[in-house]
Amino acid sequence: SAVISQKPSRDICQRGTSLTIQCQVDSQVTMMFWYRQQPGQSLTLIATANQGSEATYESGFVIDKFPISRPNLTFSTLTVSNLSPEDSSIYLCSVGSFGTGELFFGEGSRLTVL
Amino acid sequence: DQQVKQNSPSLSVQEGRISILNCDYTNSMFDYFLWYKKYPAEGPTFLISISSIKDKNEDGRFTVFLNKSAKHLSLHIVPSQPGDSAVYFCAAVGPRTGNQFYFGTGTSLTVIP
Repeated sequence: SAVISQKPSRDICQRGTSLTIQCQVDSQVTMMFWYRQQPGQSLTLIATANQGSEATYESGFVIDKFPISRPNLTFSTLTVSNLSPEDSSIYLCSVGSFGTGELFFGEGSRLTVL
Repeated sequence: DQQVKQNSPSLSVQEGRISILNCDYTNSMFDYFLWYKKYPAEGPTFLISISSIKDKNEDGRFTVFLNKSAKHLSLHIVPSQPGDSAVYFCAAVGPRTGNQFYFGTGTSLTVIP
């Protein structure tokens, strides 16, 4: 298993600003994943953060809106830029064990945009 | 396109009775199916999984059943306990679908003491 810490756990932001979410893992992992859970919706993969290369974004998500950093094998950040109320969601960092088919999640960061 | 669906947003069960949570999927290429449990203000935690080559997996009070012909899986919790009250997500993944996890929208289970 992996222990994943996310910061902040929650924040309230003004429209047009940006929020950066940090994710720290207690072990070195090749891939880290960023998910979004909008109210009443399923967890949706935003992007895969690869150490040493650009993040891979899923359809509907772009780097300008969700820039990701991955400076080392235990840390990643997700920035949600130019915030609008539609960005109000829970953002979750995760790492996976494809051998067992499991994902381990951080506590999530609840963002409210006014 | 929602490849994994949980059609019941909520479920209430008396303590001691059985809870049955259902999940349907559309892609026959999934190889693993998983259930995650989420408490408020916490991230989802892995609960139990099943490989597509099996039809049942049991772990204590939790049993997952897979019906591949119907593309349906279910999670049985028996006996249900108040501490089981949480949101349950089913998920599907596999190498043949790019190893991306596809999640359902979740079912909120309330176990009434």
